[in-house]
Amino acid sequence: ETGVTQSPTHLIKTRGQQVTLRCSSQSGHNTVSWYQQALGQGPQFIFQYYREEENGRGNFPPRFSGLQFPNYSSELNVNALELDDSALYLCASSLGVLLAGDSEQFFGPGTRLTVL
Amino acid sequence: DAKTTQPTSMDCAEGRAANLPCNHSTISGNEYVYWYRQIHSQGPQYIIHGLKNNETNEMASLIITEDRKSSTLILPHATLRDTAVYYCIVRPPESRQLTFGSGTQLTVLP
Repeated sequence: ETGVTQSPTHLIKTRGQQVTLRCSSQSGHNTVSWYQQALGQGPQFIFQYYREEENGRGNFPPRFSGLQFPNYSSELNVNALELDDSALYLCASSLGVLLAGDSEQFFGPGTRLTVL
Repeated sequence: DAKTTQPTSMDCAEGRAANLPCNHSTISGNEYVYWYRQIHSQGPQYIIHGLKNNETNEMASLIITEDRKSSTLILPHATLRDTAVYYCIVRPPESRQLTFGSGTQLTVLP
């Protein structure tokens, strides 16, 4: 069984650029969630994808967007990068949308994005 | 989502039990308590979750008080590899997200 993988591991961009981060979910998992973790803080929910559609969104602007593919892998796209976007971006997969007590999320190692 | 309160940091001697408290006084009847941990520079790792009853798995035990206003995560025999930030999360069943707080930095000392 393969766990959640993310690429790239690290990334450096400049302000105003666009970035795409990738995630492969754990085998058999059909739901992917993305989180942003700023230094010294807990992860913050960005959005979730289930069956290739956005299925819940946190308090993030529209320049944060995503995709989920038929094989359940996912991308996070961030346009017009700002300095505050520097963070660890985490992808988590689960089986089905999170339901009461039944489905924990399994996290990948994250992508460290630095915006200069 | 119900808020949780955890101590900022704790130390534990290697081989001893680590008891990590969490207060969630505004928890609703259908909200679950989840525990995750995050070792430095890694993604969060699921530990355990429960609703009302105490739970135990190969990693830890979760003790939830009868009024459900607080819980304790117990690592029975802490090792150096258990050094991590531990997050206590209360999640409504309809919520699609995990809402992380600041967590407790547990340091296991040799």
